[in-house]
Amino acid sequence: KAGVTQTPRYLIKTRGQQVTLSCSPISGHRSVSWYQQTPGQGLQFLFEYFSETQRNKGNFPGRFSGRQFSNSRSEMNVSTLELGDSALYLCASSLKVGATNEKLFFGSGTQLSVL
Amino acid sequence: QKEVEQDPGPLSVPEGAIVSLNCTYSNSAFQYFMWYRQYSRKGPELLMYTYSSGNKEDGRFTAQVDKSSKYISLFIRDSQPSDSATYLCAMSARSNSGYALNFGKGTSLLVTP
Repeated sequence: KAGVTQTPRYLIKTRGQQVTLSCSPISGHRSVSWYQQTPGQGLQFLFEYFSETQRNKGNFPGRFSGRQFSNSRSEMNVSTLELGDSALYLCASSLKVGATNEKLFFGSGTQLSVL
Repeated sequence: QKEVEQDPGPLSVPEGAIVSLNCTYSNSAFQYFMWYRQYSRKGPELLMYTYSSGNKEDGRFTAQVDKSSKYISLFIRDSQPSDSATYLCAMSARSNSGYALNFGKGTSLLVTP
């Protein structure tokens, strides 16, 4: 069974540009979450989608946005890039969202460098 | 102060040693506790998943949760060089509107042959 697939693996952008990252969840998984990982802050929650609806959002500015498609694939967009946005962006999928916690399975991430 | 605190290490042990990794937390609503292992240039991999207090064992790994002390631990027995990685604790609260994992910053472990 294929794992969570993230593309691209590496990206280099300049300040002010915008970027779109893609995530394909494990087959059958309907929930997709995004996390930002930096050496200083560790892993921080960005947002979570289930059935094309954003269910939960972390404390990030509006420049960070996402969406989920009907096939559960998800994209994340960052507009007006800043140097501090340089990070590893991780996507995770789980089987469902409900009152009971679900196990998250992570992709290998997209390493974004902003120059 | 972050909700989840974890000593970043690095922690260096000889092969065969017992490793103890720990996290403390401040949010009493946390009920789900996880340990992830992350190799360089890879995403985190789920190692252990525990609900509420108690112990859980899986092969060489044992996870312990003490909710009264807000303290969780991961023990690795007979450590191997292949265990060298960053170990992240994560936890979350029960929610009907989706959930977010709260991570520690990770402990870097090096097991030397």
